Amino acid sequence: AQSVTQLDSHVSVSEGTPVLLRCNYSSSYSPSLFWYVQHPNKGLQLLLKYTSAATLVKGINGFEAEFKKSETSFHLTKPSAHMSDAAEYFCVVRIINFNKFYFGSGTKLNVKP
Amino acid sequence: SAVISQKPSRDICQRGTSLTIQCQVDSQVTMMFWYRQQPGQSLTLIATANQGSEATYESGFVIDKFPISRPNLTFSTLTVSNMSPEDSSIYLCSVEDLWGVGEMNTEAFFGQGTRLTVV
Repeated sequence: AQSVTQLDSHVSVSEGTPVLLRCNYSSSYSPSLFWYVQHPNKGLQLLLKYTSAATLVKGINGFEAEFKKSETSFHLTKPSAHMSDAAEYFCVVRIINFNKFYFGSGTKLNVKP
Repeated sequence: SAVISQKPSRDICQRGTSLTIQCQVDSQVTMMFWYRQQPGQSLTLIATANQGSEATYESGFVIDKFPISRPNLTFSTLTVSNMSPEDSSIYLCSVEDLWGVGEMNTEAFFGQGTRLTVV
């Protein structure tokens, strides 16, 4: 079975401090992995994607994620949070053998001044 | 990349009525997906719509409640039938766009969503 688990439903950080949003996946097949961001009342925007090339993936707005097969993880990080990063973040898995994307439950990121 | 236009962006409907949501893509795509995002929750896949074939529904969703049309490679509609307040959600259209070579090179694009309130 395929699944995605986002370990934290809410994360709160202060502006200028690091961000870590955790994601673990379960799949019998090689996955493509994505992080999407959804700002309030806005559509979903792709932050970054992993597709079996480099395990460390750089995305937009200074975000990075590292694919660790041994840990089945794809955690999202950013060295320094900005107020504009406050949003909901979704970890998404796409399995080659299945024509669908599996969404995690989402992590709401709050950035305090 | 693919640009998706979804209409309407929001609507308030009476219970027992139906609403049809339209999804227009600026390029031809094989697969289109319809999702529901209930308040405060993640996205749940309703169905996958391929042109020229019946939509494939996920567990918990049925064609009578959510009929889907896919008349060509750039357009799809989702109808929410006989609505009740529990159907109040954001409904999103999504397409999969292949880039480069190989099935791993794929990405999902999303419309802005239709915010439905049933009263």
